Amino acid sequence: AQSVAQPEDQVNVAEGNPLTVKCTYSVSGNPYLFWYVQYPNRGLQFLLKYITGDNLVKGSYGFEAEFNKSQTSFHLKKPSALVSDSALYFCAVRDGGNNRLAFGKGNQVVVIP
Amino acid sequence: NAGVTQTPKFQVLKTGQSMTLQCAQDMNHEYMSWYRQDPGMGLRLIHYSVGAGITDQGEVPNGYNVSRSTTEDFPLRLLSAAPSQTSVYFCASSPTGGLKQYFGPGTRLTVT
Repeated sequence: AQSVAQPEDQVNVAEGNPLTVKCTYSVSGNPYLFWYVQYPNRGLQFLLKYITGDNLVKGSYGFEAEFNKSQTSFHLKKPSALVSDSALYFCAVRDGGNNRLAFGKGNQVVVIP
Repeated sequence: NAGVTQTPKFQVLKTGQSMTLQCAQDMNHEYMSWYRQDPGMGLRLIHYSVGAGITDQGEVPNGYNVSRSTTEDFPLRLLSAAPSQTSVYFCASSPTGGLKQYFGPGTRLTVT
């Protein structure tokens, strides 16, 4: 079965500094990888995905993620964090051979003005 | 498009009561799914459907039933509510292949 680990509960970063949210995954086949963001009392919103191709994936709101097959990682990055980026971020993985999506436990990002 | 809609937004049940959480989408998506979100545990898949008439179990299906009679609707039934089912429930849909998912606003359920 596929699984995701997000090792940090909370990431604090000063506004304007680079933001990184870590994610490692485990699948038996080819991974389909995703990042979602959740603002308070809202549903999740899609940020970006990796299916195949270029290891650096660009998504919404200036976010990008880098797929690293050897390290089984898919870290989310933003060059310059904004206070409005404060939210809960979820990494998710799907084995290309099935329809089930497995989510990590989420990372709370706090951007300090 | 309304996207994915869920009703009710909030619900309080007593142990043993039954209820149905409603989910509807107007995007003609084939794939629909139900998740529960609990603190520190992320989202866990309850049931999913790849099309009308087809459903399958996810990670935590016990205590929940689903059916998919139309493309638009995917209700989740709790047959006999338990306090362990206190959670926030999200419905999601996606086009064929289940890649980018569109989430509803959620239903906050409390079982006393």
